Amino acid sequence: KAGVTQTPRYLIKTRGQQVTLSCSPISGHRSVSWYQQTPGQGLQFLFEYFSETQRNKGNFPGRFSGRQFSNSRSEMNVSTLELGDSALYLCASSKGTGQETQYFGPGTRLLVL
Amino acid sequence: GENVEQHPSTLSVQEGDSAVIKCTYSDSASNYFPWYKQELGKGPQLIIDIRSNVGEKKDQRIAVTLNKTAKHFSLHITETQPEDSAVYFCAAPPGSYIPTFGRGTSLIVHP
Repeated sequence: KAGVTQTPRYLIKTRGQQVTLSCSPISGHRSVSWYQQTPGQGLQFLFEYFSETQRNKGNFPGRFSGRQFSNSRSEMNVSTLELGDSALYLCASSKGTGQETQYFGPGTRLLVL
Repeated sequence: GENVEQHPSTLSVQEGDSAVIKCTYSDSASNYFPWYKQELGKGPQLIIDIRSNVGEKKDQRIAVTLNKTAKHFSLHITETQPEDSAVYFCAAPPGSYIPTFGRGTSLIVHP
């Protein structure tokens, strides 16, 4: 069974630009969650999508948005990039039934200059 | 919401020693407790998990113990090897669907 894939793996943007990251979950998984990881901050939860609907949301500004398609693939968008948005963005998939294992992708490393 | 505290933040051991990482959580509704290992340049990968109906689970050199009364669970790695060097995260899903992760423990195993 193929794992979670994320594209692109690396990205360099400048302040003010916007970026879209993509995540393909494990086949059969309906939940996709997004996390921001920065040194010293651990894994900060952004949002979770289940069956094309945002089911949970973390404490991030509205510049961070996402969506999920009917095939469970998900995209995350960050508008008006700031230097502080530089981070590793991880997505994780699961069946979505709650209190279960999340399977992480390799992440997209975003650098904002 | 759920609050998960993980200690220590850094753990340095000699090859062959044991390593113990502890996490405490706050939400009594948590019933599933996974541990993830993150190697450099990779996403976290599940290494072991435990559900609230058992107190201990082992898988070769790693084990997890759970004390629901005290609301803490621990990861034990015996006979550590250099390839065990990584960042380890605990998580405790509350009644909602999304787990709260600990801040991570950087384990360094010296040859």
